[in-house]
Amino acid sequence: GEDVEQSLFLSVREGDSSVINCTYTDSSSTYLYWYKQEPGAGLQLLTYIFSNMDMKQDQRLTVLLNKKDKHLSLRIADTQTGDSAIYFCAESLYSGNTPLVFGKGTRLSVIA
Amino acid sequence: AAGVIQSPRHLIKEKRETATLKCYPIPRHDTVYWYQQGPGQDPQFLISFYEKMQSDKGSIPDRFSAQQFSDYHSELNMSSLELGDSALYFCASSRFGEETQYFGPGTRLLVL
Repeated sequence: GEDVEQSLFLSVREGDSSVINCTYTDSSSTYLYWYKQEPGAGLQLLTYIFSNMDMKQDQRLTVLLNKKDKHLSLRIADTQTGDSAIYFCAESLYSGNTPLVFGKGTRLSVIA
Repeated sequence: AAGVIQSPRHLIKEKRETATLKCYPIPRHDTVYWYQQGPGQDPQFLISFYEKMQSDKGSIPDRFSAQQFSDYHSELNMSSLELGDSALYFCASSRFGEETQYFGPGTRLLVL
């Protein structure tokens, strides 16, 4: 079955690093994604990783994938107040052209 | 760069009325997905189309139907609206063979 789980809340101080975690259950997942949603806004694709990779870095964002444990994390370095949002982890089973299954989202609050 | 366009952005309907939501994918994208996000919830996949044919079907109620037209835009038709249909409806698009889905800003539907 498809199930993506995330912790619901995270609070960090401005300038610190944030780590948002996600676990998924379907080992056939090929791509895993991180989307950001600001209040009342749409879903912004932040980054994604292919299942045969362990890590991907993109500026302040680092994605780590532990396929054995089905664990995905998103690290945001030097977190800013503008990073406050809900972060959704999502998996795509067979390719990028299949529906996404989302986690419940982690609400990140950045304290100045 | 061009993004996914959705219209209308906001819609208020009464119970038992009908609604039509429109989605214009990114140019050269051939696949369109519809997702429903209830208040405080994660996006749930409804239905998708590739080259004007239905490609996947999720938790779309029988009261809803959708299609993709020759210009690749898509419409989600919703009939006999219920209070529980109040949600944010997202359209996303992708290009076959590419691994990313890009989301539109959403249509916020309120059923009174």
